Amino acid sequence: DADVTQTPRNRITKTGKRIMLECSQTKGHDRMYWYRQDPGLGLRLIYYSFDVKDINKGEISDGYSVSRQAQAKFSLSLESAIPNQTALYFCATSDLRGVEQYFGPGTRLTVT
Amino acid sequence: RKEVEQDPGPFNVPEGATVAFNCTYSNSASQSFFWYRQDCRKEPKLLMSVYSSGNEDGRFTAQLNRASQYISLLIRDSKLSDSATYLCVSGGSYIPTFGRGTSLIVHP
Repeated sequence: DADVTQTPRNRITKTGKRIMLECSQTKGHDRMYWYRQDPGLGLRLIYYSFDVKDINKGEISDGYSVSRQAQAKFSLSLESAIPNQTALYFCATSDLRGVEQYFGPGTRLTVT
Repeated sequence: RKEVEQDPGPFNVPEGATVAFNCTYSNSASQSFFWYRQDCRKEPKLLMSVYSSGNEDGRFTAQLNRASQYISLLIRDSKLSDSATYLCVSGGSYIPTFGRGTSLIVHP
């Protein structure tokens, strides 16, 4: 089984809808991250969490919120989806050293 | 200016060729550096860490030049399976910063 899983893998939604992307990990890592990837722009950090009580904004947090329900679970919400949030979203984890990141398979989100 | 800069390519090379990518970083306080590989529509995966003394893993060699603030990746004897996007990562302040990636296409 994969160490980092994301659900759903693909999602098409309409403008204005609320949507939640979920991430679970079995690596026992404290640190979790949410990124979005757009063609030509690379990976951009949305939010990160160093433990259950520590959540921080990344470089592009506007329009997004997160919840760290447990050490193993970190979810990303789009309160009111808009078309420019169409992207590939990755969840990642790392240990306390933050040396290597382990990515989930990604969620392809399309907002129409 | 983005903190980590890479030439997006694509680098189009024949099998067997040697190819090198460079990446520059702006945060002089960065302590750790990595190269990740990303296949099309897949998640990035760690290829190798980059040490000041250099790091070699089979056909892959990574170098760090702190004075000039750049990182390099050398791939020798390119294989078709090396075709992918290579992401340079600077690990300053425990929050990794990814470059936009360099695309490599290895053709027969």
